[in-house]
Amino acid sequence: ETGVTQTPRHLVMGMTNKKSLKCEQHLGHNAMYWYKQSAKKPLELMFVYSLEERVENNSVPSRFSPECPNSSHLFLHLHTLQPEDSALYLCASSQESSGNEQFFGPGTRLTVL
Amino acid sequence: SQQGEEDPQALSIQEGENATMNCSYKTSINNLQWYRQNSGRGLVHLILIRSNEREKHSGRLRVTLDTSKKSSSLLITASRAADTASYFCATLSGSARQLTFGSGTQLTVLP
Repeated sequence: ETGVTQTPRHLVMGMTNKKSLKCEQHLGHNAMYWYKQSAKKPLELMFVYSLEERVENNSVPSRFSPECPNSSHLFLHLHTLQPEDSALYLCASSQESSGNEQFFGPGTRLTVL
Repeated sequence: SQQGEEDPQALSIQEGENATMNCSYKTSINNLQWYRQNSGRGLVHLILIRSNEREKHSGRLRVTLDTSKKSSSLLITASRAADTASYFCATLSGSARQLTFGSGTQLTVLP
């Protein structure tokens, strides 16, 4: 266990659904991240939150909406997704002052029908 | 553009052999990290090497860093079937707050 949990582990949704992914870290870290991992592609950074403030948004479509209510929790709200959004969504956390070693959750396998 | 590129993309060896994976990057870095990912799971941090370090060891892992060539290597000695996974390098550069990951090397260790 890395100290980062993600729920749900698997999610199947239709293109008109609204769902949310949840991430929780128990490590006292001050930064949290959402990544997308698609088959045969490098890990894509989606969002970065530092001290609960969004500091990076790498041209992610607006159908993905992150939320960081406190330093331990991170959500990714999903709305009107496309089949090409099917992927493994990984959450990570780090302590920015210590080299930025990242601790990852197990991921949510998302399938959009 | 992608910062880290691993080589080879896939590697298959027998149990007990050593496995070497390489990573090249483009810009100057603060540190370089190696991660491991079992199929469909999250990444696990293996080792971090700072830009002023040349070599680092952790158990059966040995990492080297050559900043003049902008490259790093990960050596796994006496490999085991349980080492089968994808291995990624990631770089932390300059004022960037986040890591940039490579495409990974898929290592298969045959029993």
